[in-house]
Amino acid sequence: QVQLQESGPGLVKPSETLSLTCAVSGYSINSGYHWGWIRQPPGKGLEWIGIINHSGTTYYNPSLKSRVTISVDTSKNQFSLKLSSVTAADTAVYYCARHKEGVDWFDPWGQGTLVTVSS
Amino acid sequence: QSVLTQPPSVSAAPGQKVTISCSGSSSNIGNNYVSWYQQFPGTAPKLLIYEDNKRPSGIPDRFSGSKSGTSATLGITGLQTGDEADYYCGTWDSSLSAVFGGGTKLTVL
Repeated sequence: QVQLQESGPGLVKPSETLSLTCAVSGYSINSGYHWGWIRQPPGKGLEWIGIINHSGTTYYNPSLKSRVTISVDTSKNQFSLKLSSVTAADTAVYYCARHKEGVDWFDPWGQGTLVTVSS
Repeated sequence: QSVLTQPPSVSAAPGQKVTISCSGSSSNIGNNYVSWYQQFPGTAPKLLIYEDNKRPSGIPDRFSGSKSGTSATLGITGLQTGDEADYYCGTWDSSLSAVFGGGTKLTVL
């Protein structure tokens, strides 16, 4: 059974960099699929951030591209998100999920982690 | 403003049928598969329908998906109070991005 678990600071100061990690268990990242990040501001809908595959190929949301870096560590079977120059608008629950390329569904999802941007 | 358009809310009585629409364009729904997600308050979204009309293992056949042109529809029959949740459609876009609808809140009256 594939499981994903997000981890990282729950509070980030404005202008700093948000950093999160998603640990994957029950499946090797090297075996295929893309691995992605999606966020959900409080009371709002889902916003796709980006995806990465095991070889490091990435796709990013154009509206966030200048601030986003997604990387993969196959030795630890995990992937990470960095979002720079954060503002209060980046406050959200951040989810990681497995993405099937070509047919574009996300499953499973991690439980999500709330990141608040505040001084 | 979401790329895919969903009604903010729908409602129906227990036992009835409800449909949730998802409207896009030729840049996304018109040329790519659609998936649907169910989200209960405080929990992560869960894949409900994939590749337009397929159900993952464990999803009851009360849930169905369809697509025509640049629009997709999620159908739920035999509504139960436990179906009250937010529902999101998603697909790929020619801008090389995944996109989601704004979400629809289902109320079972």
